[in-house]
Amino acid sequence: EAQVTQNPRYLITVTGKKLTVTCSQNMNHEYMSWYRQDPGLGLRQIYYSMNVEVTDKGDVPEGYKVSRKEKRNFPLILESPSPNQTSLYFCASSLRDSFSYNEQFFGPGTRLTVL
Amino acid sequence: AQSVSQHNHHVILSEAASLELGCNYSYGGTVNLFWYVQYPGQHLQLLLKYFSGDPLVKGIKGFEAEFIKSKFSFNLRKPSVQWSDTAEYFCAVQAPYGGATNKLIFGTGTLLAVQP
Repeated sequence: EAQVTQNPRYLITVTGKKLTVTCSQNMNHEYMSWYRQDPGLGLRQIYYSMNVEVTDKGDVPEGYKVSRKEKRNFPLILESPSPNQTSLYFCASSLRDSFSYNEQFFGPGTRLTVL
Repeated sequence: AQSVSQHNHHVILSEAASLELGCNYSYGGTVNLFWYVQYPGQHLQLLLKYFSGDPLVKGIKGFEAEFIKSKFSFNLRKPSVQWSDTAEYFCAVQAPYGGATNKLIFGTGTLLAVQP
């Protein structure tokens, strides 16, 4: 089954404790992206990657890092989480970075709470 | 900056009522348009999309949307809602600008509650 998976689905942590949220897709997609969803703000892009070893900042990159060493994986790293990073995180992927017909597929989400 | 506005933040309807959710965007050039739905506790699912052609697009579960270029709008409609349509609905716009063409700009969402 074609899908985007994220782990963990739920995470409660404390301020300053480094964490990684994994994202994996099995569709051989070139483009991957991370969004955070906050009430009243919709989804905002954190980082994106157009291909292996090619990443760039989205609209809200502060406090986050990403890497893209393999095509299928795009982990989100919080080196020193803070309470304002408490949010619902979604990973998404699409075939390529293209304006033509190019649907993005979303993962199930990771609900992160930073105490 | 490009933006997407969803004017209805909360909508409460009775079953069988008609639904129209507004979506306006600010980008003046060619855009791709999407409506996503998020059922309680679930991830985003694509309801429908517009890339080109007929401005009236039909999606899953009886939803449709009309792209009106002159009004920069892409309103979502359904003639008769069901209790199972209770969810949050997001309008999203894809516009070719900046370093990546695949970026989606989302509206803030509309929470729809359908009462049985």
